[in-house]
Amino acid sequence: EAGVVQSPRYKIIEKKQPVAFWCNPISGHNTLYWYLQNLGQGPELLIRYENEEAVDDSQLPKDRFSAERLKGVDSTLKIQPAELGDSAVYLCASSLGPSGLNEQFFGPGTRLTVL
Amino acid sequence: AQSVAQPEDQVNVAEGNPLTVKCTYSVSGNPYLFWYVQYPNRGLQFLLKYITGDNLVKGSYGFEAEFNKSQTSFHLKKPSALVSDSALYFCAVREATGRRALTFGSGTRLQVQP
Repeated sequence: EAGVVQSPRYKIIEKKQPVAFWCNPISGHNTLYWYLQNLGQGPELLIRYENEEAVDDSQLPKDRFSAERLKGVDSTLKIQPAELGDSAVYLCASSLGPSGLNEQFFGPGTRLTVL
Repeated sequence: AQSVAQPEDQVNVAEGNPLTVKCTYSVSGNPYLFWYVQYPNRGLQFLLKYITGDNLVKGSYGFEAEFNKSQTSFHLKKPSALVSDSALYFCAVREATGRRALTFGSGTRLQVQP
């Protein structure tokens, strides 16, 4: 069974440029998460989807970040414009069911460097 | 608000010795507790969880954790460490009610020496 797929694995951009990250969850997982992980820290939830609905986006900085999961399968996270402080690893995870108690399966992440 | 503390940035242990990685939490009400492990260049992997029931939870790769409500702790343990256990370990908590989001600790790096 394929795991959570993320691309690109690495991205280097200049500040003020836009950037997008893509995630394909495990087949059949209707819950999808985007996390931000700063160096030396644990992941922090940005947004959680149940199918195509964003049910928890309270920690998503909506002035520059946006996300979509149009068909309830794969998802895209976008930053526009990027700032120096956005340099981090962006993790995608998926799980079965909406309860938040099920095991989350994480992708390898996208490491973003903003110059 | 919920929070997790992992008081040790790094734990060093000799192969074959028992290991403990500490975690304490703070929530309103009952907690749901999780341990995840992160190997280099790989995604986080689930180890075990406590939802309800027996305070001693057994998980993957021989790991176990004990839920202690009075001490608000959920320490990760293994009777005999392996070099391959060397990785970054994260404790996470979620409140039983309210926002269904995990709060992760800052992680503890486990180094097992041969």
